[in-house]
Parts: sequence; structure tokens; C-alpha cells
Amino acid sequence: DVKVTQSSRYLVKRTGEKVFLECVQDMDHENMFWYRQDPGLGLRLIYFSYDVKMKEKGDIPEGYSVSREKKERFSLILESASTNQTSMYLCASSYFIQLSGTNYEQYFGPGTRLTVT
Amino acid sequence: GIQVEQSPPDLILQEGANSTLRCNFSDSVNNLQWFHQNPWGQLINLFYIPSGTKQNGRLSATTVATERYSLLYISSSQTTDSGVYFCAVPHNFGNEKLTFGTGTRLTIIP
Repeated sequence: DVKVTQSSRYLVKRTGEKVFLECVQDMDHENMFWYRQDPGLGLRLIYFSYDVKMKEKGDIPEGYSVSREKKERFSLILESASTNQTSMYLCASSYFIQLSGTNYEQYFGPGTRLTVT
Repeated sequence: GIQVEQSPPDLILQEGANSTLRCNFSDSVNNLQWFHQNPWGQLINLFYIPSGTKQNGRLSATTVATERYSLLYISSSQTTDSGVYFCAVPHNFGNEKLTFGTGTRLTIIP
């Protein structure tokens, strides 16, 4: 079974703090993704990585950065947390399209509920 | 980018009832996934179904790619089926990034 894990289920941080959210997958997937989910806005892609040290902005990258130093690990960084970053953060992984053929099904971690006060 | 609409937005059913959830998308796709988000927030993979029909127990899904829609069928509903159901398709054809629908919230009453 594919396993995607996230470092925390719940996190409470103060405004201005630097926040790290960690995601690890055990399927040797090339692609990893960070989404946020907000009521009424659905799931929105923040950043995407298709290889170690490679990244691509998603739909809402402002206020976030990412790091991928190892294939299995993808970190989301909030450089200076703000209250509007209170949200549910979901990590996912999949195979790279050119290597997998057509099956690049995404698998999700359990999510991190972040509250910034 | 591609638009994804799900209907109905909310559905309340008695335990044992059957239901059909619909996902419409605005452009050609070569990938479509159905997910169930449980009350704890985890997205569970239900089906990877770019075309055709698949069945898994009480759940089945059909995608008619030429007509740009997919259906998720749940038979003999149980309270554990409650939650939000999402469909997701690539941003554009062949792209690995997904665009999600707004979801259908299903509530099963005992």
C-alpha cells in the first residue's frame, strides 16, 4: 500500500513564526504536491515538485516556499506565518507521467490542520 | 483552465439507500480520480478511472470521456460512507497537476 505521512495532524503557531510542514512518501514517487483546503474554496495547489531540488509554483504560492532535498521528502515552509494561512494542508505524491505511462494516480497524506493565532 | 462541477452539493440519505454522484468537466481528460474525504480530513482514493466502468464492493464508477462526465454510484449506503466526495482531473490534458471539483457532501442517517 502507498503510504504518505505528514509530520503533524494538528499544529498551532503564532503570527510571524517560521513553520515547517513535512511530508514523506514510501512509494519512490517522482512527483510530490502541497495543497491547502479551505471551506468554500476547495483544494488548491500551492507547490509541486517533479524531482529532487525541482519545484514548480501552483495556483497559490504566495507566502510559501518548498524544499525537496531527498526524493521521499517534501517540505512546505511558511517563512512568516499569518492568520490567513490558517488552513488544512494536504500533501500528495504520484509517479512521473513519462515514466508511469498514463497512470499517475495521486495519493494523499492524512493532512495537517494549522492554526495561526 | 479546466472547470470541474459536482452535483448535488449536498445529499442526505437513509442508511440502505442508493445514490449517484455526478462530476462534469469542461475539457478532454486522460485521468480522473474519485476521492472520499473522511471526517478526519483524509482523502481516500476510491477510483482512478479515465474511462469505462470500475467496481469495488458497494461502490462503482463510470467515466464517459467523450461526453465529459463521470458518475459515482454508492449502493446500500452505510453511515461510514458519510463525508465529502471529490472528483479531480488534470489541469490540462496530460498534466500531472489536478483540478478538484467542489465536492458532494453525503450524510447517511441511521
